[in-house]
Amino acid sequence: AQSVTQPDIHITVSEGASLELRCNYSYGATPYLFWYVQSPGQGLQLLLKYFSGDTLVQGIKGFEAEFKRSQSSFNLRKPSVHWSDAAEYFCAVGGGATNKLIFGTGTLLAVQP
Amino acid sequence: NAGVTQTPKFQVLKTGQSMTLQCAQDMNHEYMSWYRQDPGMGLRLIHYSVGAGITDQGEVPNGYNVSRSTTEDFPLRLLSAAPSQTSVYFCASGATYGYTFGSGTRLTVV
Repeated sequence: AQSVTQPDIHITVSEGASLELRCNYSYGATPYLFWYVQSPGQGLQLLLKYFSGDTLVQGIKGFEAEFKRSQSSFNLRKPSVHWSDAAEYFCAVGGGATNKLIFGTGTLLAVQP
Repeated sequence: NAGVTQTPKFQVLKTGQSMTLQCAQDMNHEYMSWYRQDPGMGLRLIHYSVGAGITDQGEVPNGYNVSRSTTEDFPLRLLSAAPSQTSVYFCASGATYGYTFGSGTRLTVV
C-alpha cells in the first residue's frame, strides 16, 4: 500500500540557513513523488515533482529534492531559507493504475530572523 | 479555464444534518478525489474516482458517500454530520503528471 512518512512535525531554522525536510515513502512500483507547500489559510502549491530520469529535481522558489530509491526517500532542500518560506510542507506519492495520491502528515517550517 | 471549483467555501452544520460538498472540474480528468485536512494529520484521502461510474474508498471513508455520474462532477455527501467531521475539505483532479486542487471548503459541525 502507498504511504508517506514525514518524520519531522515541526522544524525551526534561521533565515539564511540551509534546509532539509525529510520524506520517506512506501510504494510497490516506481513512485511519482511530489512536494507541496501550504501557507496558513491557503490552498496547496506544487513545489516540484519526480517522475523518472534525473534523481535531482529542481522546483520553484529555489527548492530542490533528491530521489533515492535505495533509501525510499525524497528529501526537500533549499540552500538559503527566506522568511517567506515559513509554511507547511507536504510530501506525497502517487501512481499506479488509479493515480491515487497519498500525502504525508506534513512538516511545519518556522523561520527565525 | 476554471480548473477545480469547490462550493461552498464555508459551511456550518448542526449535528445530524446532511449536506453535499460540490466539486467540478473542466479539464476532462478521469481521476478525482476528496481529502480532509486536520491539524497534524496532513491530507487524508476520503474517496476517489477513476472515471464516471467508478469510485473507491480512501483512507478515511466512514461517514461520507460519493458518486460520479459525469466526468466533470464529484460531489461528497455527509449523510448525518458529526462534530468529528469538522475539517477543511479539498477536492483534486488530475493524474501523476499533475494534480489540480480546489481552494477548499471549511466545514464546522456544531
